[in-house]
Amino acid sequence: QLVLTQSPSASASLGASVKLTCTLSSGHSSYAIAWHQQQPEKGPRYLMKLNSDGSHSKGDGIPDRFSGSSSGAERYLTISSLQSEDEADYYCQTWGTGIQFGGGTKLTVL
Amino acid sequence: EVQLLESGGGLVQPGGSLRLSCAASGFTFSSYAMSWVRQAPGKGLEWVSAISGSGGSTYYADSVKGRFTISRDNSKNTLYLQMNSLRAEDTAVYYCAKGFGDKAYLGFDLWGRGTLVTVSS
Repeated sequence: QLVLTQSPSASASLGASVKLTCTLSSGHSSYAIAWHQQQPEKGPRYLMKLNSDGSHSKGDGIPDRFSGSSSGAERYLTISSLQSEDEADYYCQTWGTGIQFGGGTKLTVL
Repeated sequence: EVQLLESGGGLVQPGGSLRLSCAASGFTFSSYAMSWVRQAPGKGLEWVSAISGSGGSTYYADSVKGRFTISRDNSKNTLYLQMNSLRAEDTAVYYCAKGFGDKAYLGFDLWGRGTLVTVSS
């Protein structure tokens, strides 16, 4: 069964970097994912599509501070030079025989 | 401008019906699969239903199968979700989302702002 696992929370200081992780379930390490950001009281916003080889394509207007990488079944979202507006929930999504979302990671910018 | 705009949400009694709409603009609507995704208060994102670009293929989450119907009118650039036999657990903000391409099961690269559905007596 295709399942995405995310840590419920993460925190980092203003101006620092943070790496969020999304883990694909066993047997699905070749799957691509998408990362989405949801700021408080707003709808989700597409950040990027991330392939198993680490290549990624970002959405329009997404700053260079956002990047993606992959290792095995892990998919990462790195945000550098953290700003206050980066405080949000981050969801990974994948697709295959259905569409699944991870549980989301709440990022707090200290 | 590329955007999705949902409408049709509101308060409905358990067992009632509601039809959501999603108006698309700024892209060739018929070339892309579309989905509905919901978010219950304080919870994460839950995929609800998807439809291919032509409308010929539709898919549903088990939680709504047999109660919800997704459809689209490509001449009007509009996506719909007919929701029947509504339950309290269907209470959520409903978002429409655009797929990467024509196939129904794909990632999303555009989201609407959402419309709130509240099922309560």
